[in-house]
This record gives sequence, structure tokens and C-alpha cells, in this order.
Amino acid sequence: RKEVEQDPGPFNVPEGATVAFNCTYSNSASQSFFWYRQDCRKEPKLLMSVYSSGNEDGRFTAQLNRASQYISLLIRDSKLSDSATYLCAVNSGGFKTIFGAGTRLFVKA
Amino acid sequence: GAVVSQHPSWVICKSGTSVKIECRSLDFQATTMFWYRQFPKQSLMLMATSNEGSKATYEQGVEKDKFLINHASLTLSTLTVTSAHPEDSSFYICSALDRDRMNTEAFFGQGTRLTVV
Repeated sequence: RKEVEQDPGPFNVPEGATVAFNCTYSNSASQSFFWYRQDCRKEPKLLMSVYSSGNEDGRFTAQLNRASQYISLLIRDSKLSDSATYLCAVNSGGFKTIFGAGTRLFVKA
Repeated sequence: GAVVSQHPSWVICKSGTSVKIECRSLDFQATTMFWYRQFPKQSLMLMATSNEGSKATYEQGVEKDKFLINHASLTLSTLTVTSAHPEDSSFYICSALDRDRMNTEAFFGQGTRLTVV
């Protein structure tokens, strides 16, 4: 089993739609969780950290479920510019950041 | 946010030659840096963890004699792809952890696109 798993998609949604991604992790000792956005041929950019209490940043909401060992990302009112690959990342022992395979999102007009 | 500079951003080299990629933390000290490789349409795969002043820790399946890592200072780690072959063509990205903020996100360099011909 991979340490961090994501549905690769792609997710094809119309503008204005709400879309949600999930990501599961296997190491119960993991401490920190993140969502990154990666555009084609570029390095990943941090989208948001994920806290136990959940956090929201504009149209983006991230949640952590430690009991079930998954994190989620919700995007409301999708924009064309949201089209990208979304990577979940987990800091496991030794502060290694392990990435999921990424979920590709295409938002269409 | 913290800045990590990676150089070069792209390189084309002949098969059999070696290529060195540098990763620098510009405004913080990084005890730990990570090297990733990403093939087209695939995920970032962790290759190795680079620790300042000690030997790198390589992930399973990554040849340490082929991918030489040196982390001689708190702001610089280098990855040397030795005797590169076309199958080594990939996107290599480094990331660094701020020594003073170890449990936060890692900061990425811009990546190096290596093409071996």
C-alpha cells in the first residue's frame, strides 16, 4: 500500500461547480498535512496546510480526519484558473514530505 | 514565504556525462533538504533526504552511486546525476525545511528539467 494515496482523476467540472478531493495516508504517526497545487511543468506551490480543526481560505476548505486517516480539499465555485493538479502531502517520521500521485482537475467554461 | 533557489532550471547533456544541480535556501537555514524526481504525468517521487554534514538517506530503488548528494552547508545541497542516460531525463525538484520551523511545509525550488540525449 502506498504511503499517501489519491484518486488521479481527472475531474472534469463546469465553472461554478463544487469539487472535492480526498487523500488517504497510512502512517498514523504523521504530524503535518498539506495541499499543494502544481501547474504543468512547474514546481508545486503550497495551497494550504490542513489542521485538525479544519481550515478555510476563500473558496477552499481543507479537513483532516485522523481516525480514518484522510484529508480532504473542497473547492467551491470553481474557476477556469483552478485547473491544475492538486497534490496532498504528509510529513511522516523524520520530517519527510511524502506526496500523493496528484489529482488532475479541469474546469471548463 | 521562504525562498529556495534551484539551478539550473533546465539542462541538456550528452549520454554518459554528469550533471550537477544546486539547491539553495536563500533566507533561511535548512538542516534537511529533499530531492524529488517527477516523470511526465506522474507524481513527485522522493529520491533522497539530504542532511547537512552527514550522508544522504536514499529511498528504496534509488542508486546512491548514480545520484550523488552533497549537503556541505546549511544553505546548499547538490545533486549530481553521474553518467546520465536518456532514462534519467526527468524533472528534478528540491525542497528544504526551515531549521527553525521543522513541522511546517517544505519550500520548493523551481525545479530542473534534465534532458539526456
